[in-house]
Amino acid sequence: EDKVVQSPLSLVVHEGDTVTLNCSYEVTNFRSLLWYKQEKKAPTFLFMLTSSGIEKKSGRLSSILDKKELFSILNITATQTGDSAVYLCAVESYNTDKLIFGTGTRLQVFP
Amino acid sequence: NAGVTQTPKFRVLKTGQSMTLLCAQDMNHEYMYWYRQDPGMGLRLIHYSVGEGTTAKGEVPDGYNVSRLKKQNFLLGLESAAPSQTSVYFCASSYSIIEQFFGPGTRLTVL
Repeated sequence: EDKVVQSPLSLVVHEGDTVTLNCSYEVTNFRSLLWYKQEKKAPTFLFMLTSSGIEKKSGRLSSILDKKELFSILNITATQTGDSAVYLCAVESYNTDKLIFGTGTRLQVFP
Repeated sequence: NAGVTQTPKFRVLKTGQSMTLLCAQDMNHEYMYWYRQDPGMGLRLIHYSVGEGTTAKGEVPDGYNVSRLKKQNFLLGLESAAPSQTSVYFCASSYSIIEQFFGPGTRLTVL
């Protein structure tokens, strides 16, 4: 059965810290991995990764995929209170019309 | 553009009652999805649609029905609500499977 596992489940840091969120997956016919940020309501799209070893970057956020070891990490540097959210990882497979989501990592950033 | 909207935002039902959740999108997306989100469980796919007039089961379809009579609307029905269906329901739409745009969610409580 396909599955996506995120760790840690929860993380509490202070502003300015750097955090690393992990996502490992076991799916057949992997196509892409996506990261979403969920604040109070709807998840919003952050990154899509399809190729191994290529970093995607957006400001203080960056992500990389390792297709050999079947995981991805999301790094956030110089965290701010506005980074507080649940970060969701999702995986897409070929020949399906749906994403498989992990349980998410809840990040809390305190001043 | 309103994006993805959901109606209602909140609802309280008694066990055995029925209701319909409406999802509407104005982005001409083919794909639409219904998820439920429970604490510690992440997003779980209930049903989805790859185009007008089509529907398919997701990970947790039991107790729910859907219809996609118009491309812009995707309805989720609960015929006989149960306390186990207390959850936050999210609708999403997309051009393809990836980069799904989520609605604001509907918080449903079944007593």
